[in-house]
Amino acid sequence: DQQVKQNSPSLSVQEGRISILNCDYTNSMFDYFLWYKKYPAEGPTFLISISSIKDKNEDGRFTVFLNKSAKHLSLHIVPSQPGDSAVYFCAASGLNAGNNRKLIWGLGTSLAVNP
Amino acid sequence: ETGVTQTPRHLVMGMTNKKSLKCEQHLGHNAMYWYKQSAKKPLELMFVYNFKEQTENNSVPSRFSPECPNSSHLFLHLHTLQPEDSALYLCASSQVGDRGYTFGSGTRLTVV
Repeated sequence: DQQVKQNSPSLSVQEGRISILNCDYTNSMFDYFLWYKKYPAEGPTFLISISSIKDKNEDGRFTVFLNKSAKHLSLHIVPSQPGDSAVYFCAASGLNAGNNRKLIWGLGTSLAVNP
Repeated sequence: ETGVTQTPRHLVMGMTNKKSLKCEQHLGHNAMYWYKQSAKKPLELMFVYNFKEQTENNSVPSRFSPECPNSSHLFLHLHTLQPEDSALYLCASSQVGDRGYTFGSGTRLTVV
């Protein structure tokens, strides 16, 4: 059973417009959420994160929103640029029964920003 | 060199071969991880090493054998793999307890 779900495998957006990538989670013990970006033939790179005590975190063109009651988070990219074309992974972090921190990943959403 | 470096970038091996993947981090981190990325599956955590000690093995078949000689180096020894083991193998590092990891570029493994 997937604890972190990215239901849209792909998304296509026009350059300059907003890209919205969505992520849902099931485990209320998650207390930290991260977005990673991955280009082909490279490893994922950290993009932005948010603690469960916040509902918004902004870094330049990237904003992550967290709705704890809905167990939903989203990544907004404004304005979208062709260089943003990549796979975006949502990840959730929480302590397991052994008090070890675990990172659980979604399947990723492939974003294509068209010029 | 900075960050997390993985070698080789690509590897093709037969089912009877023995090969090793190497990971090196220059970030001063004390935790290292092996992940497997297969098509249409989430990133799968394979092994975790904290302070050179293995703390997690997520039911990985014994044909995958990790080795962590020190906090900066991590190996994945491969023996008698199956074609379904073909995937991107990613190494990552962090400080123990950190919420996010730094990844290497991965080794694209093809088993023929």
